[in-house]
Amino acid sequence: GAGVSQSPRYKVAKRGQDVALRCDPISGHVSLFWYQQALGQGPEFLTYFQNEAQLDKSGLPSDRFFAERPEGSVSTLKIQRTQQEDSAVYLCASSDGPNQPQHFGDGTRLSIL
Amino acid sequence: EDQVTQSPEALRLQEGESSSLNCSYTVSGLRGLFWYRQDPGKGPEFLFTLYSAGEEKEKERLKATLTKKESFLHITAPKPEDSATYLCAVQAYGQNFVFGPGTRLSVLP
Repeated sequence: GAGVSQSPRYKVAKRGQDVALRCDPISGHVSLFWYQQALGQGPEFLTYFQNEAQLDKSGLPSDRFFAERPEGSVSTLKIQRTQQEDSAVYLCASSDGPNQPQHFGDGTRLSIL
Repeated sequence: EDQVTQSPEALRLQEGESSSLNCSYTVSGLRGLFWYRQDPGKGPEFLFTLYSAGEEKEKERLKATLTKKESFLHITAPKPEDSATYLCAVQAYGQNFVFGPGTRLSVLP
């Protein structure tokens, strides 16, 4: 595709519900990253995939957060038993490799009520 | 631990009034420093990569420079459409990107 696509753009969920956020990276990009961005802050790293392998998940805030990229293309970030502090914009980025400039989608704005 | 700070937090300029944004970093072994622009409701848009002290990159009214401790984003004769948040990120060897908090730039007509 022309760019990184994320869906949904907005998600409202009640505390305790599970949510799933989708990322379609730029075609051919082997590296895929997830970030969390709080209002007025820069993106914070969550996790990184090289093809289908999750090489770094050190930024995931708790075991309620889970990410997958089973076929090395589309990725899903899942948050179980959501809490209010999970409210943020979740950004996905892809690149030709781990050391190349990352290209971002427009994010999913998650609001937990 | 790698750290990135940006100043000022917010900057308001008149159209045509040149200025500079600062990105200061502490990192063990800088592999690259990246500048991004982010518009409200959008994801960051890649601008520049700088790899070594003394390097400069230019794009239209923007010029990025790099020293061993900081990077500057110089904006020459800005226009209202340059209004955005400017983010810098650093990457150490073998590490992931670490972003600063950004500078919110407003250019008034």
